[in-house]
Amino acid sequence: DTGVSQDPRHKITKRGQNVTFRCDPISEHNRLYWYRQTLGQGPEFLTYFQNEAQLEKSRLLSDRFSAERPKGSFSTLEIQRTEQGDSAMYLCASSFPQTGIGNTIYFGEGSWLTVV
Amino acid sequence: TQLLEQSPQFLSIQEGENLTVYCNSSSVFSSLQWYRQEPGEGPVLLVTVVTGGEVKKLKRLTFQFGDARKDSSLHITAAQPGDTGLYLCAGAAGSARQLTFGSGTQLTVLP
Repeated sequence: DTGVSQDPRHKITKRGQNVTFRCDPISEHNRLYWYRQTLGQGPEFLTYFQNEAQLEKSRLLSDRFSAERPKGSFSTLEIQRTEQGDSAMYLCASSFPQTGIGNTIYFGEGSWLTVV
Repeated sequence: TQLLEQSPQFLSIQEGENLTVYCNSSSVFSSLQWYRQEPGEGPVLLVTVVTGGEVKKLKRLTFQFGDARKDSSLHITAAQPGDTGLYLCAGAAGSARQLTFGSGTQLTVLP
Protein backbone atom coordinates (compact mmCIF):
# COMPACT_ATOMS: atom_id res chain seq x y z
CA ASP A 1 0.00 0.00 0.00
CA THR A 2 1.61 3.30 -1.06
CA GLY A 3 -0.96 5.63 0.46
CA VAL A 4 -0.66 7.91 3.47
CA SER A 5 -0.14 5.81 6.58
CA GLN A 6 -1.06 6.85 10.12
CA ASP A 7 -0.31 5.24 13.47
CA PRO A 8 -1.93 4.46 15.81
CA ARG A 9 -5.39 4.22 14.31
CA HIS A 10 -7.04 4.51 17.70
CA LYS A 11 -5.83 5.92 21.00
CA ILE A 12 -7.66 6.18 24.31
CA THR A 13 -5.91 8.27 26.92
CA LYS A 14 -6.63 9.82 30.27
CA ARG A 15 -6.98 13.56 30.54
CA GLY A 16 -3.63 15.18 31.22
CA GLN A 17 -1.56 12.55 29.43
CA ASN A 18 0.54 13.23 26.35
CA VAL A 19 -0.08 11.47 23.05
CA THR A 20 1.86 11.30 19.81
CA PHE A 21 0.64 10.39 16.35
CA ARG A 22 2.83 9.44 13.40
CA CYS A 23 2.22 10.00 9.71
CA ASP A 24 4.09 8.53 6.76
CA PRO A 25 3.16 10.42 3.57
CA ILE A 26 3.17 9.13 0.01
CA SER A 27 6.87 8.79 -0.74
CA GLU A 28 7.25 11.36 -3.53
CA HIS A 29 5.08 13.98 -1.80
CA ASN A 30 7.00 16.85 -0.24
CA ARG A 31 3.96 18.54 1.31
CA LEU A 32 2.38 17.19 4.47
CA TYR A 33 -0.71 18.41 6.31
CA TRP A 34 -2.44 17.74 9.60
CA TYR A 35 -6.18 18.22 9.97
CA ARG A 36 -8.58 17.56 12.83
CA GLN A 37 -12.14 16.32 12.39
CA THR A 38 -14.87 16.05 15.00
CA LEU A 39 -18.12 14.16 14.59
CA GLY A 40 -20.54 15.83 12.19
CA GLN A 41 -17.98 18.30 10.90
CA GLY A 42 -15.59 18.53 8.01
CA PRO A 43 -11.83 18.42 8.64
CA GLU A 44 -10.19 21.58 9.99
CA PHE A 45 -6.68 22.57 8.99
CA LEU A 46 -4.03 22.44 11.72
CA THR A 47 -0.63 22.78 10.08
CA TYR A 48 1.35 22.28 6.89
CA PHE A 49 4.93 21.30 6.07
CA GLN A 50 6.89 21.64 2.90
CA ASN A 51 9.77 19.24 3.25
CA GLU A 52 10.98 19.75 6.84
CA ALA A 53 9.79 23.35 7.14
CA GLN A 54 6.55 24.07 8.98
CA LEU A 55 5.12 26.86 6.85
CA GLU A 56 1.61 27.39 8.18
CA LYS A 57 -0.10 26.88 11.52
CA SER A 58 -3.76 27.34 12.32
CA ARG A 59 -4.97 29.24 15.35
CA LEU A 60 -6.51 25.90 16.33
CA LEU A 61 -3.01 24.65 17.06
CA SER A 62 -2.65 25.70 20.69
CA ASP A 63 0.65 25.63 22.53
CA ARG A 64 -0.17 22.11 23.73
CA PHE A 65 0.12 20.90 20.15
CA SER A 66 3.43 20.46 18.35
CA ALA A 67 4.18 18.96 14.98
CA GLU A 68 7.51 18.01 13.50
CA ARG A 69 8.86 16.65 10.26
CA PRO A 70 12.57 16.40 11.03
CA LYS A 71 13.84 14.80 7.84
CA GLY A 72 11.15 15.91 5.45
CA SER A 73 9.62 12.45 5.37
CA PHE A 74 7.42 11.21 8.24
CA SER A 75 5.79 13.61 10.66
CA THR A 76 4.66 13.46 14.28
CA LEU A 77 1.88 15.37 16.00
CA GLU A 78 2.15 15.54 19.77
CA ILE A 79 -0.58 16.72 22.11
CA GLN A 80 0.54 17.53 25.64
CA ARG A 81 -1.74 17.58 28.70
CA THR A 82 -4.69 16.27 26.72
CA GLU A 83 -8.16 17.64 27.39
CA GLN A 84 -11.53 16.07 26.63
CA GLY A 85 -12.03 18.65 23.89
CA ASP A 86 -9.06 17.17 22.06
CA SER A 87 -11.10 14.04 21.30
CA ALA A 88 -11.30 13.90 17.51
CA MET A 89 -9.90 12.18 14.47
CA TYR A 90 -6.51 13.52 13.48
CA LEU A 91 -5.97 13.28 9.75
CA CYS A 92 -2.68 13.46 7.91
CA ALA A 93 -2.51 14.24 4.22
CA SER A 94 0.18 14.74 1.62
CA SER A 95 0.56 16.28 -1.80
CA PHE A 96 3.06 17.00 -4.53
CA PRO A 97 3.17 20.39 -6.26
CA GLN A 98 1.09 20.10 -9.41
CA THR A 99 0.96 23.10 -11.67
CA GLY A 100 -2.41 23.94 -13.16
CA ILE A 101 -4.60 21.25 -11.63
CA GLY A 102 -5.17 22.52 -8.15
CA ASN A 103 -3.83 21.63 -4.76
CA THR A 104 -4.87 17.97 -4.69
CA ILE A 105 -4.13 16.31 -1.39
CA TYR A 106 -4.52 12.70 -0.34
CA PHE A 107 -5.60 11.72 3.15
CA GLY A 108 -4.63 8.89 5.42
CA GLU A 109 -7.17 6.85 7.32
CA GLY A 110 -6.85 8.99 10.42
CA SER A 111 -5.98 8.49 14.06
CA TRP A 112 -8.91 8.50 16.46
CA LEU A 113 -8.21 10.08 19.84
CA THR A 114 -10.54 9.64 22.79
CA VAL A 115 -9.66 11.51 25.97
CA VAL A 116 -11.44 10.17 29.06
CA THR B 1 -12.41 33.62 6.84
CA GLN B 2 -13.52 31.45 3.96
CA LEU B 3 -16.56 29.32 4.60
CA LEU B 4 -18.11 26.57 2.54
CA GLU B 5 -21.71 25.72 3.20
CA GLN B 6 -23.05 22.37 2.10
CA SER B 7 -26.67 21.45 1.66
CA PRO B 8 -28.50 19.40 2.51
CA GLN B 9 -26.79 18.29 5.70
CA PHE B 10 -28.56 14.92 5.63
CA LEU B 11 -30.15 13.09 2.71
CA SER B 12 -31.89 9.72 2.77
CA ILE B 13 -33.18 8.36 -0.50
CA GLN B 14 -34.24 5.11 -2.13
CA GLU B 15 -32.01 3.17 -4.47
CA GLY B 16 -32.42 4.36 -8.04
CA GLU B 17 -33.27 7.98 -7.21
CA ASN B 18 -31.23 10.96 -8.34
CA LEU B 19 -29.83 13.59 -5.98
CA THR B 20 -27.84 16.80 -5.95
CA VAL B 21 -25.58 18.12 -3.21
CA TYR B 22 -24.61 21.78 -3.14
CA CYS B 23 -21.51 23.56 -1.91
CA ASN B 24 -21.67 27.36 -1.69
CA SER B 25 -19.39 30.15 -0.61
CA SER B 26 -19.05 33.92 -0.86
CA SER B 27 -15.34 33.42 -1.52
CA VAL B 28 -13.59 32.57 -4.77
CA PHE B 29 -11.60 29.36 -4.82
CA SER B 30 -8.76 28.51 -7.18
CA SER B 31 -9.78 24.86 -7.04
CA LEU B 32 -12.43 22.78 -5.40
CA GLN B 33 -12.40 19.14 -4.49
CA TRP B 34 -15.05 16.61 -3.58
CA TYR B 35 -14.34 13.80 -1.16
CA ARG B 36 -16.30 10.82 0.10
CA GLN B 37 -15.72 9.59 3.62
CA GLU B 38 -16.91 6.43 5.31
CA PRO B 39 -17.19 6.04 9.10
CA GLY B 40 -13.83 5.73 10.82
CA GLU B 41 -11.88 6.36 7.62
CA GLY B 42 -10.17 9.34 6.04
CA PRO B 43 -11.71 11.26 3.14
CA VAL B 44 -11.12 9.77 -0.31
CA LEU B 45 -10.70 12.20 -3.19
CA LEU B 46 -13.34 11.94 -5.93
CA VAL B 47 -12.53 14.88 -8.18
CA THR B 48 -10.73 18.21 -8.44
CA VAL B 49 -12.21 21.07 -10.48
CA VAL B 50 -10.20 24.19 -11.29
CA THR B 51 -11.91 26.06 -14.12
CA GLY B 52 -15.08 28.12 -13.71
CA GLY B 53 -17.97 26.33 -15.41
CA GLU B 54 -16.07 23.06 -15.53
CA VAL B 55 -18.09 19.84 -15.55
CA LYS B 56 -16.54 16.49 -14.74
CA LYS B 57 -18.18 13.10 -14.83
CA LEU B 58 -17.17 10.05 -12.86
CA LYS B 59 -19.49 7.19 -13.82
CA ARG B 60 -22.85 8.14 -12.25
CA LEU B 61 -21.41 11.23 -10.52
CA THR B 62 -21.37 14.64 -12.20
CA PHE B 63 -19.46 17.52 -10.65
CA GLN B 64 -19.83 21.15 -11.66
CA PHE B 65 -17.78 24.19 -10.66
CA GLY B 66 -19.65 27.47 -10.78
CA ASP B 67 -18.70 30.08 -13.36
CA ALA B 68 -17.50 32.44 -10.62
CA ARG B 69 -15.66 29.61 -8.81
CA LYS B 70 -17.65 30.25 -5.64
CA ASP B 71 -19.89 27.21 -5.71
CA SER B 72 -20.08 23.62 -6.85
CA SER B 73 -22.55 20.79 -7.11
CA LEU B 74 -22.43 17.02 -7.10
CA HIS B 75 -25.18 15.14 -8.89
CA ILE B 76 -25.61 11.39 -8.51
CA THR B 77 -27.77 9.51 -10.98
CA ALA B 78 -29.52 6.28 -10.01
CA ALA B 79 -28.04 6.17 -6.52
CA GLN B 80 -26.96 2.83 -5.11
CA PRO B 81 -26.50 1.69 -1.49
CA GLY B 82 -22.74 1.72 -2.11
CA ASP B 83 -22.95 5.50 -2.58
CA THR B 84 -23.79 5.87 1.11
CA GLY B 85 -21.27 8.08 2.91
CA LEU B 86 -20.29 11.58 3.93
CA TYR B 87 -19.66 13.81 0.94
CA LEU B 88 -17.33 16.73 1.59
CA CYS B 89 -16.42 19.66 -0.60
CA ALA B 90 -13.16 21.48 0.02
CA GLY B 91 -11.74 24.61 -1.55
CA ALA B 92 -8.28 26.05 -1.94
CA ALA B 93 -8.05 29.84 -2.26
CA GLY B 94 -5.26 31.65 -4.04
CA SER B 95 -1.82 30.54 -2.96
CA ALA B 96 -3.08 29.07 0.31
CA ARG B 97 -1.96 25.50 0.76
CA GLN B 98 -4.64 24.40 3.18
CA LEU B 99 -8.12 23.34 2.19
CA THR B 100 -11.30 24.77 3.68
CA PHE B 101 -13.89 22.03 4.10
CA GLY B 102 -17.63 22.18 4.18
CA SER B 103 -19.41 20.40 7.02
CA GLY B 104 -20.47 17.61 4.71
CA THR B 105 -23.62 15.94 3.43
CA GLN B 106 -24.44 12.59 4.97
CA LEU B 107 -26.05 10.49 2.24
CA THR B 108 -27.91 7.28 2.96
CA VAL B 109 -29.17 5.22 0.04
CA LEU B 110 -31.72 2.64 1.10
CA PRO B 111 -32.05 -0.63 -0.84
